[in-house]
Amino acid sequence: DAGITQSPRHKVTETGTPVTLRCHQTENHRYMYWYRQDPGHGLRLIHYSYGVKDTDKGEVSDGYSVSRSKTEDFLLTLESATSSQTSVYFCAISEDPSPLHFGNGTRLTVT
Amino acid sequence: SQQGEEDPQALSIQEGENATMNCSYKTSINNLQWYRQNSGRGLVHLILIRSNEREKHSGRLRVTLDTSKKSSSLLITASRAADTASYFCATVGTGGGNKLTFGTGTQLKVEL
Repeated sequence: DAGITQSPRHKVTETGTPVTLRCHQTENHRYMYWYRQDPGHGLRLIHYSYGVKDTDKGEVSDGYSVSRSKTEDFLLTLESATSSQTSVYFCAISEDPSPLHFGNGTRLTVT
Repeated sequence: SQQGEEDPQALSIQEGENATMNCSYKTSINNLQWYRQNSGRGLVHLILIRSNEREKHSGRLRVTLDTSKKSSSLLITASRAADTASYFCATVGTGGGNKLTFGTGTQLKVEL
């Protein structure tokens, strides 16, 4: 899977708790992305990064923050998880303008 | 809001038949890409077509792009059971960067 590791693969957490998902790449690609996938909505972009410490918001960024302190790691944080953030989260990487390579996802359940 | 919308939402065919999926989008694009997703897995890139291209082939895949109609189609010829998956189109806008906007996908089932 193009050297992308997402952790954890599954997580169950309670409403109001902070959660951090990690994406690690070994490809040295410039761009990294966080998407969420929900039935009926396809994939929606949460945040993306175009370099170390360079990030920008996607279409569904409310309630999420990201950080990229190293080329290989892109962290997604839910400051205070809500049930609406129950979803499958995918990390992806690319070199502009080439296609995206995806990780296998993190299934997050907020109870 | 979704840039791409696939049609149909679900498609069931017999092995050996051709499968056609359509994608419509709303704004000007730099390129359009098709991805496949097997159940429980991440998306896998299939093919990319640039805005100045009209048709592209890759193995059993044929993609067309009509920028005047803001639409694209993906044809899978001689389908196999292993082609069973969800297929998504994604567009890259003309505003720079490499930010993809995905459609809602077509679920393809190929039966033996």
